[in-house]
Amino acid sequence: NAGVMQNPRHLVRRRGQEARLRCSPMKGHSHVYWYRQLPEEGLKFMVYLQKENIIDESGMPKERFSAEFPKEGPSILRIQQVVRGDSAAYFCASSPQDVDTQYFGPGTRLTVL
Amino acid sequence: AQTVTQSQPEMSVQEAETVTLSCTYDTSESNYYLFWYKQPPSRQMILVIRQEAYKQQNATENRFSVNFQKAAKSFSLKISDSQLGDTAMYFCAFMKHGDNDMRFGAGTRLTVKP
Repeated sequence: NAGVMQNPRHLVRRRGQEARLRCSPMKGHSHVYWYRQLPEEGLKFMVYLQKENIIDESGMPKERFSAEFPKEGPSILRIQQVVRGDSAAYFCASSPQDVDTQYFGPGTRLTVL
Repeated sequence: AQTVTQSQPEMSVQEAETVTLSCTYDTSESNYYLFWYKQPPSRQMILVIRQEAYKQQNATENRFSVNFQKAAKSFSLKISDSQLGDTAMYFCAFMKHGDNDMRFGAGTRLTVKP
C-alpha cells in the first residue's frame, strides 16, 4: 500500500510565478490536509478537503492560495504570484474516513527566488 | 485556542541510553488526541505514537512510550535504548476529537551520539 505521494519534491519559482503542488492520498483515504512548515518551525494547518469539497480553509491565506481535491486525480495546492515569504515545505496528509490519525507525504520544498 | 509547547529546542543522548522529550498543551476540551511525529533529515513526517485522551493507559510502541498526564496537560515521549537512527526533529501535536487540523509544537531536535 503506497503512502501519501507528493510531487514535485522540490520546486523553484521566481517571484510572480505560479506554484502547483500535487498530493495523492493513500489508497482508501478520502480526507486530505495541507500544512506549511517554515524553517525551524512546526507545521501549520492550511486547509482540509474531501473529494470535491473544501471543508475547512481557516489556515489558508485569503489571497493567492487555493486548493482543490477533484473527483478524479490528486489534490492540488496552488499559489499564484509567489513571493519570497512563500518559501517553505508544504506537507500533505491523508486519513481514512472517520479515523483521526493523519499520514503525511514527504513534502514539497518550495523555493522562491 | 489550543496551543502546544515543546520547551526543549535541542537535546542529545548517548546511544543505548534513555531520553525524555517534554510537551505541554493548553485546551479546554476533554476529548482529543495527542501525537508524536518524527522528522528525520529526509524531512518525511513519520507518526511515532498516538494517545487518545479518554484512555488512561499510556501508549507504547516498541522503544517509544508516553507519559500522559491529563490533569497537568503533559504528554512526554520516552525513547529507550536510543539508536543513531532516532536522530531527528520530534514534534508533539494536538487534535480535538472530530476536528480537522492538528496543532504542532515548535519541535525538539534530538541528536543520538555514538
